[in-house]
Amino acid sequence: EAGVTQFPSHSVIEKGQTVTLRCDPISGHDNLYWYRRVMGKEIKFLLHFVKESKQDESGMPNNRFLAERTGGTYSTLKVQPAELEDSGVYFCASSRGGEAFFGQGTRLTVV
Amino acid sequence: GEDVEQSLFLSVREGDSSVINCTYTDSSSTYLYWYKQEPGAGLQLLTYIFSNMDMKQDQRLTVLLNKKDKHLSLRIADTQTGDSAIYFCAETVPGGYNKLIFGAGTRLAVHP
Repeated sequence: EAGVTQFPSHSVIEKGQTVTLRCDPISGHDNLYWYRRVMGKEIKFLLHFVKESKQDESGMPNNRFLAERTGGTYSTLKVQPAELEDSGVYFCASSRGGEAFFGQGTRLTVV
Repeated sequence: GEDVEQSLFLSVREGDSSVINCTYTDSSSTYLYWYKQEPGAGLQLLTYIFSNMDMKQDQRLTVLLNKKDKHLSLRIADTQTGDSAIYFCAETVPGGYNKLIFGAGTRLAVHP
């Protein structure tokens, strides 16, 4: 069974540009989570989908971040326009309701 | 409030035991977890403990939970070079839909 996969693994963009991160969860997992780790600090929760619905988006930093999960399968996280402080590693995780399985993360660098 | 804290770095000699500590603030935590991140890899669940337990052992791993002091520890016996990684402590709380609240991670370096 394929695990959680994230694309791209690395992205370097200029301040003001747009970036879209993608997460493909494990097939059949209704729960999908996005997290972010900035500058070696704690991993922070961003939001949680149940199928295509946003269950909890309390961790989204501001309205420059937009997450979607059309059809309840893969999810995208778009940052527009990107700022320097958005740099970090973005993790996606999926679960059936128990253990969450994580992807390898996308390292985003905004210069 | 929800806050999880860990020391940032630990260095041990191969074959010794490692103890990684974590404190948390939310007394309503349901489960507490230890995740491992190896270089270039995602987070791997190592072990977890339910909040009404005080100890859990799984091969070389021992988790101790002191609920009164809100202190969690992970002991790795006979530490190997393959144990070098970042270890994250995390908790879930009631009503949180299993969202994880993480610490900053402890980088474990194992040297010969």
